[in-house]
Parts: sequence; structure tokens; C-alpha cells
Amino acid sequence: DQQVKQNSPSLSVQEGRISILNCDYTNSMFDYFLWYKKYPAEGPTFLISISSIKDKNEDGRFTVFLNKSAKHLSLHIVPSQPGDSAVYFCAAGTGRRALTFGSGTRLQVQP
Amino acid sequence: KAGVTQTPRYLIKTRGQQVTLSCSPISGHRSVSWYQQTPGQGLQFLFEYFSETQRNKGNFPGRFSGRQFSNSRSEMNVSTLELGDSALYLCASSLAISTAGGGEQYFGPGTRLTVT
Repeated sequence: DQQVKQNSPSLSVQEGRISILNCDYTNSMFDYFLWYKKYPAEGPTFLISISSIKDKNEDGRFTVFLNKSAKHLSLHIVPSQPGDSAVYFCAAGTGRRALTFGSGTRLQVQP
Repeated sequence: KAGVTQTPRYLIKTRGQQVTLSCSPISGHRSVSWYQQTPGQGLQFLFEYFSETQRNKGNFPGRFSGRQFSNSRSEMNVSTLELGDSALYLCASSLAISTAGGGEQYFGPGTRLTVT
């Protein structure tokens, strides 16, 4: 049972445009959410997080939106840059339980 | 400071063999988690250790085991390897006792295991 789903395995965007990566979850007990970015041959790196008490968190070009009623979160990258091309994982957690990760979305930013 | 290191980076084994992977966390980090990454499945949590104690365990068969040493270094072992065990095994360390509260995890580059 996949509690965290990233239904788009890949996304292609033009440089300078907005990239929107989506993530859905089923467990209403999740109380924090994170996004990680992964380049080939490297481990995932933490990008941005959001607590369930918020609906938006912004860090530079990256903004995460959380819609608790829809059990949906999204990562917006504006403007997208070629260096943003990577696999993006969303993850969710609750209490002291381990993180649950989605299957990832491969973002390709075209110059 | 140095990041999370994992050894070896690449490994080829045959079915039925066993394998041990090693992870050295960031200095000062006492929590180590292990994940299996396969195409289309994302990162599947294996287990988490803090101060030599297993704190959390994922839904993997008993062939997968791990341990943590007093210096926080961790090893995971897979016995009786199966073809389906071919994956990238990632280790992550954090300051937090677990990933509670969104504590950031710092990942190593992973060990690519191929089972033939």
C-alpha cells in the first residue's frame, strides 16, 4: 500500500518557466512533509519541508504547498533552471515513525 | 565536514550469497537509516538505528538485517540474495533520534548492488 504517491514519473519544462511537481498521500496522520532532490550517482539531498499546520513554505525559488483536505502537496520551482534537472522525491512522516517516500518524479529542464 | 560515506559503491553478487554494506554517518550524527531504492518504487525504508539500538523497521523479510556500532557506523546485511534484491541501497544519517519532526536526513551516495 503506497501511502505517498507521485503519479507523474517524469516532467519536462522550459528554462525560465514554472515546474510543478505533485504528491498525494493517504495517511491523514502524516504531520510533516519533505522534498528531496537526487542527482545521478548521488544520494538525495533535502530541499524543503512543511509542517501540517502550514499550507505554504517558501525558500528562494522553491515553494511547497500543502492542501490537507485533498491530501495533496506540490513543489513549485520558479524560475526553473537546467541545474534543477533531477529526480524529486516527496516524503511524509509522523511522530517517531520513519519517513515514507514517493516513487519520484524526474524533472528535465530544457535550455 | 565530511558527508555520509558508503562502501562499497558497487557490488555484484550471485543468488544465494550474502552481502554486507557499510555506512559511516556524518560526525556527531547518531541516527542512521537504511533505504532500498528500485525503479518505480522510490525509497523503501529498511531500518533505523540510534545509539546501537534499532528504533524502526520497515516491511522487509528477515534476510535483511542491520546493526550499529558504538562509533555510530552502521552495517546492513542481506543473506541468501535474490535477483529482486538488486537495487541502490542508501544510508542516511541525522542528528535527531529519528526522523520525527521533519529532522533532516543526510544521504550517502549509495551502494549499487547487482544480483545475478
